[in-house]
Amino acid sequence: ELKVEQNPLFLSMQEGKNYTIYCNYSTTSDRLYWYRQDPGKSLESLFVLLSNGAVKQEGRLMASLDTKARLSTLHITAAVHDLSATYFCAVDMGRTSGSRLTFGEGTQLTVNP
Amino acid sequence: DGGITQSPKYLFRKEGQNVTLSCEQNLNHDAMYWYRQDPGQGLRLIYYSQIVNDFQKGDIAEGYSVSREKKESFPLTVTSAQKNPTAFYLCATRQFSGNTIYFGEGSWLTVV
Repeated sequence: ELKVEQNPLFLSMQEGKNYTIYCNYSTTSDRLYWYRQDPGKSLESLFVLLSNGAVKQEGRLMASLDTKARLSTLHITAAVHDLSATYFCAVDMGRTSGSRLTFGEGTQLTVNP
Repeated sequence: DGGITQSPKYLFRKEGQNVTLSCEQNLNHDAMYWYRQDPGQGLRLIYYSQIVNDFQKGDIAEGYSVSREKKESFPLTVTSAQKNPTAFYLCATRQFSGNTIYFGEGSWLTVV
């Protein structure tokens, strides 16, 4: 059974600071997704990482994937209040499993002025 | 508009009742999924379907049923056998040839 673990689960940081969210998973996969969720809302797609060593950046967020270590990171640079949300990573289980996603528990990020 | 439509957005259910959540897509995607989200937690897969007239159980299928009679539609029925159905339900779709997974706006179900 695939397990996806995120840490930290709760993160409170000051504006302007940097931090990294980690996503570890327990079985082989070469596709990993990062999503943002605002309270009471659906998921917003942030990044799709498709191969080992993939790195993607959008604004103050940068995501990377190391398939050998089974680890993805979401790095936040110079945080601003608008980044406050819950962030999920999700691992694609492959076509033989219906291309379903297994999600981590989420990291609730609060950026304080 | 293109995309995924979930309805209703809010639904209240009395104990012992079955309710059906609708998910319709006009993206011509092959696969459709139902996820459940409890407060402060991640998403868990209930059922998924890769083609019409076929579907598979996910991790928490007990107390739920689905059908896939049309490519565009994948309704989820929450039966009275589901003892704790209060949650946020999300429908998703994808095309196997692509990498993007699309989510609907979600449906809130509350047992009263």
